[in-house]
Amino acid sequence: DAGVIQSPRHEVTEMGQEVTLRCKPISGHNSLFWYRQTMMRGLELLIYFNNNVPIDDSGMPEDRFSAKMPNASFSTLKIQPSEPRDSAVYFCASSLMRGSNVLTFGAGSRLTVL
Amino acid sequence: GDSVTQMEGPVTLSEEAFLTINCTYTATGYPSLFWYVQYPGEGLQLLLKATKADDKGSNKGFEATYRKETTSFHLEKGSVQVSDSAVYFCAQGASGSARQLTFGSGTQLTVLP
Repeated sequence: DAGVIQSPRHEVTEMGQEVTLRCKPISGHNSLFWYRQTMMRGLELLIYFNNNVPIDDSGMPEDRFSAKMPNASFSTLKIQPSEPRDSAVYFCASSLMRGSNVLTFGAGSRLTVL
Repeated sequence: GDSVTQMEGPVTLSEEAFLTINCTYTATGYPSLFWYVQYPGEGLQLLLKATKADDKGSNKGFEATYRKETTSFHLEKGSVQVSDSAVYFCAQGASGSARQLTFGSGTQLTVLP
């Protein structure tokens, strides 16, 4: 298995632009998680899905952030409009719903908003 | 709510030194406990885990024991190598049916030759 695949790996954009981050989870995994990592706040859970359904989005910072999972093999995290304080590394992770909650992480998408 | 507190870094050691990174958790019930490692420019990788009290997780020479009485899961390695330089995260699984992990703040380890 190729693991969790995220794209783009790096994104530099200007304030006000729309940003879309993409994730392909491991085949057969039915839970998907979006985390954000910054020096100041560490790793924060933004949202997670079970069987493509959003379960908890309480970590989404504000309405500028939205996430979708249209099918079991694809998810997006969108920021519109982006702001400099959104600069971070965004990780996608997936796991099986049953058993111990071992997460497999992607390599991350580093976002820089100028 | 659930939280994980781990030793502040950075930690700098010489090769072959003994490593301890402290981790304590607060949770109701019996959460699963994890250590993840993040190498520069990469995502987090599972290092080891323990799912119940007194379990010992181990991998690549690293060990951690699930201590319910002290709500701790300290990471240890008897002899570190330069290649162990990374950021180490302690995490607990959510109790109940939720599946997400709550992470500590991470500890940067640098091993010098």
